[in-house]
Order: sequence, then C-alpha cells, then structure tokens
Amino acid sequence: LAKTTQPISMDSYEGQEVNITCSHNNIATNDYITWYQQFPSQGPRFIIQGYKTKVTNEVASLFIPADRKSSTLSLPRVSLSDTAVYYCLVGDRNNQGGKLIFGQGTELSVKP
Amino acid sequence: DTEVTQTPKHLVMGMTNKKSLKCEQHMGHRAMYWYKQKAKKPPELMFVYSYEKLSINESVPSRFSPECPNSSLLNLHLHALQPEDSALYLCASSPGGEKLFFGSGTQLSVL
Repeated sequence: LAKTTQPISMDSYEGQEVNITCSHNNIATNDYITWYQQFPSQGPRFIIQGYKTKVTNEVASLFIPADRKSSTLSLPRVSLSDTAVYYCLVGDRNNQGGKLIFGQGTELSVKP
Repeated sequence: DTEVTQTPKHLVMGMTNKKSLKCEQHMGHRAMYWYKQKAKKPPELMFVYSYEKLSINESVPSRFSPECPNSSLLNLHLHALQPEDSALYLCASSPGGEKLFFGSGTQLSVL
C-alpha cells in the first residue's frame, strides 16, 4: 500500500486559494489518488479523484505531476466553511473492497 | 438514494452490555467498511466486506463482531467493551476503488 504524507495543519484567510500537497512516493501503476474532506463528528466526504495531470470539478482541482509521486489539492477562494480536515488516499481504483487506509490528514483553518 | 444511514447516532453503554450498530445503503455497492475514529485522529480501518463476505479484519479484538446480512446492511455487534473503545464508528460503502461513501457515524461512549 502506498503511504501518504501531508502537512499536519495549514492556515488561510477567506478568499485565498489553498493548495494542500500529498506525498506518495511508492504509488503503484494502477493506483488512483482520492481526496476527502471531513468536518467534526461527520464521516469523510469525497472531493475529487485523479490518475494523472489535472482534474477539476465544481469544488476543487487536483494536480498530479508526471512521476505521480505527489499530488496537490487546490481549493479556490476558500470560505470559513472550508475549515476541515483533508485526507488523501492512494489505492487501486479497480479493487473492489480493498484496504483503504487514511493518513494523518491536513487540518485546514480558514480565518476571516 | 446516495446515502449511507447509520443508527443510532449516539450510544452509551456499560462494559457488560451487548449492543449493535447498524448501517444501510441502497446504492448497490458491494463493498462495505467499518472504521473507528478517535478525536483528532484519522479513521482507522476495522473490517471490510466484499460481496457480503468478510475480506479484511484488521486484527480487531473479538469484542467487536461484524455481520453482513445482505448486500444493503452491515452490523457491528459490541460486547464487553472497554472505555478505550469509546470513539466515532463510521460505516462506508464503495462502488470500487478508493471512492468511499460514509455515513454520519455512531458516537459511542463506554462507561
């Protein structure tokens, strides 16, 4: 299983763009990268998933360099409601019921 | 229906009690998960069911007993728990890969 490493915490202000980087040096060929957001006392919520280059949806963008050993979640113009813990997971997208392990996550604090 | 429903939302039990946590999904997902989460820590994998069969047990103590009666339901039976088992218990389902749909969890307190 590819282990992930993220910064423990980050601070930002409303309206700024936030970039959270995840390191996954031993990512396998079949692995995809998935990011989750978690608010206190709630289950994590899927944000975005990608394999290479760039993926964008209505919430965020995911940038993955050619070597795929890291990825960056980009949150445009954050608001106070984006204060949460963000996790990246790496795993085989074709694996049904595989072992999905959460790393330590990044606690993002957005200030007014 | 894109929800995973967990009941109860809160549970307080003594160390000699027997209780069960329930999880339900109607998205047709064939993989279901139990995670345990302590405050300020990431979710910790406990069990995985794939096509209603237990496929992964992360060396969880036998006082936790999972059950998958059918493809939509997942139970976690609790017996003789310890105070250190107090945590948020999360259920998730998956259509495949690492895309997980989580319920809101059961906040468990063991007295």
